[in-house]
Amino acid sequence: AQTVTQSQPEMSVQEAETVTLSCTYDTSESDYYLFWYKQPPSRQMILVIRQEAYKQQNATENRFSVNFQKAAKSFSLKISDSQLGDAAMYFCAYRSGTSGTYKYIFGTGTRLKVLA
Amino acid sequence: SAVISQKPSRDICQRGTSLTIQCQVDSQVTMMFWYRQQPGQSLTLIATANQGSEATYESGFVIDKFPISRPNLTFSTLTVSNMSPEDSSIYLCSVTGTGLYGYTFGSGTRLTVV
Repeated sequence: AQTVTQSQPEMSVQEAETVTLSCTYDTSESDYYLFWYKQPPSRQMILVIRQEAYKQQNATENRFSVNFQKAAKSFSLKISDSQLGDAAMYFCAYRSGTSGTYKYIFGTGTRLKVLA
Repeated sequence: SAVISQKPSRDICQRGTSLTIQCQVDSQVTMMFWYRQQPGQSLTLIATANQGSEATYESGFVIDKFPISRPNLTFSTLTVSNMSPEDSSIYLCSVTGTGLYGYTFGSGTRLTVV
């Protein structure tokens, strides 16, 4: 069975600085998708960035980028130029690439605090 | 991506009662998903709701406790039955696109059972 591990329950970063959130996963599959979701106090889960396992190139969305190390099964999220609005819970998630599989496996989350 | 309207946003309920949570999607979707997020915890899938068939429940969740309806391709309800304080959680509905497209979530229902 697949597992997703986020080893940092909480992280802090100064405004305008860069922070990296860690995520490791375990799977025997070769085809899968990885996601980072943000959950602010409003509870709304927001998709931040996504990565296809077969793509070597790391995904980037504006200030958010990932470091995807397939062999190490690592999928870390880098937030550059941190803003107060980035404060939230961040969840890493795995989804199998098997056709017809829609279940996501979520990590336990990392609470990010942004300090003014 | 789809837009999901979830109601109620929060509720405080007496133990032993039931609460029905509604999710309305602005487009037709085949599958809808119900998640539970206990305080300070991650998301756990309760069940997958397919239109025209019974919901598929994950291990640890049963239909008697969490009955689900899916009358059409844009709407679903989750009922939390015979509630106890342990049911206090955030409940989220979601839909998914294919492949690289991730879940779209409703805004969640914060349930407190007293």
